[in-house]
Amino acid sequence: AQSVAQPEDQVNVAEGNPLTVKCTYSVSGNPYLFWYVQYPNRGLQFLLKYITGDNLVKGSYGFEAEFNKSQTSFHLKKPSALVSDSALYFCAVRDPNFGNEKLTFGTGTRLTIIP
Amino acid sequence: EAQVTQNPRYLITVTGKKLTVTCSQNMNHEYMSWYRQDPGLGLRQIYYSMNVEVTDKGDVPEGYKVSRKEKRNFPLILESPSPNQTSLYFCASGSRGRNTEAFFGQGTRLTVV
Repeated sequence: AQSVAQPEDQVNVAEGNPLTVKCTYSVSGNPYLFWYVQYPNRGLQFLLKYITGDNLVKGSYGFEAEFNKSQTSFHLKKPSALVSDSALYFCAVRDPNFGNEKLTFGTGTRLTIIP
Repeated sequence: EAQVTQNPRYLITVTGKKLTVTCSQNMNHEYMSWYRQDPGLGLRQIYYSMNVEVTDKGDVPEGYKVSRKEKRNFPLILESPSPNQTSLYFCASGSRGRNTEAFFGQGTRLTVV
């Protein structure tokens, strides 16, 4: 079975500082990994994904994520946080060998950028 | 504009009164799915559909029904809602292929009293 863990419910970062939102996963084979962001009263928006190739993936709004196979992690990062980055972030995994194409989500991390 | 549209956005209902939440996508996606979002639990899949007339249970299907008569629509039906179905519901769609991202609707906040 596939699973995702986001160990931090809440992350606070000062504006302008680098930010990291952590994610670890468990799948039977090589994973497909995704990050989504949810702003208040909005649906989830796709940020970036790792399928194969370069371990550093760049996405929307200046975010990037690093795939680390040995640590089974896919942490979301940004070099300089903006107040507008404050939102709820979800990591998700899909097992390429599992039948229904289901995305399995973590429990979410609320990111607050402090001005 | 490519989008997934859910209606209604907000709904308050009473226990036992049947309701339907509609979902429509304009991207010709084969795959559609319903999730519920609850604090501390993330998003959990309720039902999904890989194509017209093909539906299957997700992780938490009890108390829900779906149908896929047309490719663009995937309504969620609660035949007899109960308070434990109070939640935020999301519809999602995507192209066939496990390396593709899903597109989400804006959500439906349902309260069952």
